[in-house]
Parts: sequence; C-alpha cells; structure tokens
Amino acid sequence: AQTVTQSQPEMSVQEAETVTLSCTYDTSESDYYLFWYKQPPSRQMILVIRQEAYKQQNATENRFSVNFQKAAKSFSLKISDSQLGDAAMYFCAYRSVNSGGSNYKLTFGKGTLLTVNP
Amino acid sequence: NAGVTQTPKFQVLKTGQSMTLQCAQDMNHNSMYWYRQDPGMGLRLIYYSASEGTTDKGEVPNGYNVSRLNKREFSLRLESAAPSQTSVYFCASRLVFQGLGEQYFGPGTRLTVT
Repeated sequence: AQTVTQSQPEMSVQEAETVTLSCTYDTSESDYYLFWYKQPPSRQMILVIRQEAYKQQNATENRFSVNFQKAAKSFSLKISDSQLGDAAMYFCAYRSVNSGGSNYKLTFGKGTLLTVNP
Repeated sequence: NAGVTQTPKFQVLKTGQSMTLQCAQDMNHNSMYWYRQDPGMGLRLIYYSASEGTTDKGEVPNGYNVSRLNKREFSLRLESAAPSQTSVYFCASRLVFQGLGEQYFGPGTRLTVT
C-alpha cells in the first residue's frame, strides 16, 4: 500500500517570501499522479497543483510550483511571493494509475499547517 | 453549477443515535467518495463508489454504511453513532478519464457525538 509522509506539521513564512513544503511517498509503482490540496479555515479542500509521474517537467501554477524527484520519491511544493491568503493546511496526495480499486482513491499525507506572517 | 454539496454543515448527536449525511454533485461525475478528517490524521477514505450502482470499502468503513442513490447522490449513514465518530466528513467526486483523477470536494460536515 502506498503511504504519503509530510514531515513538517507546521511551517511559517513572511509575507512576500518563499516557502517550501515537503512531501515524500512510498510506492512500488512506476506510474502515478501526485497532488497538493489547500484547506483554508473555511475547510474547503482546493486543488492547488498536480503532477504526472511520467513527466519529468515540474508542474507550475502561477506562484505555486513543485520539485518532483521521482527517484527520491519526493514531491515538494514551493510557494513564491507568499500572501496572507496562502495561510492554510496543505495536503499532499497520491493516486495510482493501475486498474482496480486502488485506482479510484487518493492517499493523503497528514498535512502541513502554513502560517503567513505580515 | 454548485459543484459538490453536503448537508448538514454541522450536527450534534448523542451516542447511539443514527443519522444520514447527504452528498450531491452536479458535475456529471462517475465516482464519489466519503472521507473523514481527524486532527493529525489527514483524510482517510471511508467508502467510495466507482460508478453508479457500486460501492466499496475504504480504509475505515466500520460503523458506516453508504448508498449510491443515483449518479448525483451518495449518502453516508451512521446507524449507531459513537464518540469515536466525532470528525469532519467530506464528500468528493471525480469524472473518470478526465484530467489526472483529481477529486473535487464538498464543504464538509462537522459531526460531534456526545
């Protein structure tokens, strides 16, 4: 079974600075998808960014980018020019692409709480 | 287009009471999911429905039942609530063969069992 580990329960960053959130995962599969979700105080889960394992190019969405290191099984999220609205819990998630039941579910890490200081 | 909706938003139950959490999506998605979120535990899958007419257990199914009423609706039932079921419950859905299989979440239901 796949596992996802977020080793930083909490992080803080100054407004306008850059912060990197860590995520590692354990899998025996060669193809899979990875995601970062954001959960602000409203509790709504919002998809931030996604990455296909077979693509070497790191995904980017505006101020959010990832550093995907497949051999190291690492998928970190970089937030540039941090804004107060970025304050939230961030979850890393894994999805298999194999057929069958495991294909349908996401495996989540335990989350990193990001505080943005003005 | 409301996306994924959940009712109720908040609920307090006494031990032994039953209730059903409702979820509906208007995105014509095939698969639907129920998760629970507990402090320090991330989101854990309770049950899922890969397509209309099918349901399967996730990681933590004990104490719950589900019904995929139609393509839009997927309900979660607690037959005899226990304090250990105090949690925030999220429903999610996705359209199979679209994107990377990302799931879209409802706003959650905060359930307290006393």
